[in-house]
Amino acid sequence: SQQGEEDPQALSIQEGENATMNCSYKTSINNLQWYRQNSGRGLVHLILIRSNEREKHSGRLRVTLDTSKKSSSLLITASRAADTASYFCATGTGSNTGKLIFGQGTTLQVKP
Amino acid sequence: KAGVTQTPRYLIKTRGQQVTLSCSPISGHRSVSWYQQTPGQGLQFLFEYFSETQRNKGNFPGRFSGRQFSNSRSEMNVSTLELGDSALYLCASSSGRWENTEAFFGQGTRLTVV
Repeated sequence: SQQGEEDPQALSIQEGENATMNCSYKTSINNLQWYRQNSGRGLVHLILIRSNEREKHSGRLRVTLDTSKKSSSLLITASRAADTASYFCATGTGSNTGKLIFGQGTTLQVKP
Repeated sequence: KAGVTQTPRYLIKTRGQQVTLSCSPISGHRSVSWYQQTPGQGLQFLFEYFSETQRNKGNFPGRFSGRQFSNSRSEMNVSTLELGDSALYLCASSSGRWENTEAFFGQGTRLTVV
């Protein structure tokens, strides 16, 4: 079963614009991770944010986490055509398990 | 450091057959998890192995099984294949410190059942 939902399901923007994707989840979490997937290939790990963190940055990526609202957002600034991919959030819920629960993903298209 | 290696990358099998997929985790990682990805169901957790023991299992029928060896390499097996088993199977490797651990994925094995 899926942990939550991602919004929007699809997003199309021009190069140079910012892209924001949102993720909601249902249960309490230890951490939340964002992944990128290109054309049905493997998942590339982007960033992990712990449940006691509110914001994290990595290059052009900014992730926020609001545990009171059970939601997270991923912001990609100054997007590039190479950012075209599907983006997934995944929550780690257990203290003794590596199991991740994934959202349905957001498909991002960045037009050159 | 080498990444997560999955073999084979592609497989075509006939209904009723069985299949074995392999995953070699990042060196030093002791946890391997398996996921199934389909257009309809998205990414679904199959099972997780840590130190050769199954730690967690998803909601899949008993036809799906796995194991982990002493070198942390893992295999998953699907018996009596059905058309609906066609999917991208991904394995993830992590160190085992669950609270703050990142999971790194392989390129996946695309299984087509005909």
